[in-house]
Amino acid sequence: KAGVTQTPRYLIKTRGQQVTLSCSPISGHRSVSWYQQTPGQGLQFLFEYFSETQRNKGNFPGRFSGRQFSNSRSEMNVSTLELGDSALYLCASSPDYYTGELFFGEGSRLTVL
Amino acid sequence: GDSVTQMEGPVTLSEEAFLTINCTYTATGYPSLFWYVQYPGEGLQLLLKATKADDKGSNKGFEATYRKETTSFHLEKGSVQVSDSAVYFCALWDNFNKFYFGSGTKLNVKP
Repeated sequence: KAGVTQTPRYLIKTRGQQVTLSCSPISGHRSVSWYQQTPGQGLQFLFEYFSETQRNKGNFPGRFSGRQFSNSRSEMNVSTLELGDSALYLCASSPDYYTGELFFGEGSRLTVL
Repeated sequence: GDSVTQMEGPVTLSEEAFLTINCTYTATGYPSLFWYVQYPGEGLQLLLKATKADDKGSNKGFEATYRKETTSFHLEKGSVQVSDSAVYFCALWDNFNKFYFGSGTKLNVKP
């Protein structure tokens, strides 16, 4: 069974640009959540989607947005990039909303210059 | 609100040493507790879990016991290997809709 796939794995952007990251969950998983990982802040929850609906959102500004498609694939978008957005963005999928067990992808490493 | 606190690293041990990584939590309900591990260049992987008080999770020689009286879920391994070098995250699932992760503890095991 294929794992969680995130693309791109690495990307470099400049301040003010926008970026879109993609996540393909494990087949059959309907819940997808996103986390930002930085050395200073650790893992911070961005948002979680289940069956195309955003069920939870973390404390991030509106520049961070996401969506989930009918095939459970998810994208997150960050607009007007800031230097502080440089981080590893991790996507995790789960079989359903209430299992509490997450399966993580390898992440997308974003560098903002 | 709910939260997880784990010991800061890095923790440096020699091969075959005993490992303990402390984790304590604050929760209003009856959460499930997890340890995740992140190897260099990879995403997080579930290491073990416990869903109720006094449960012991175990995997790959690692163990952790859900202690409600001390609100703790310490990770232990009797004999670490170089391949155990990674970052370990303690996490709490509130059994409803949110995960809370600790800040992570980096483990370095020297041959």
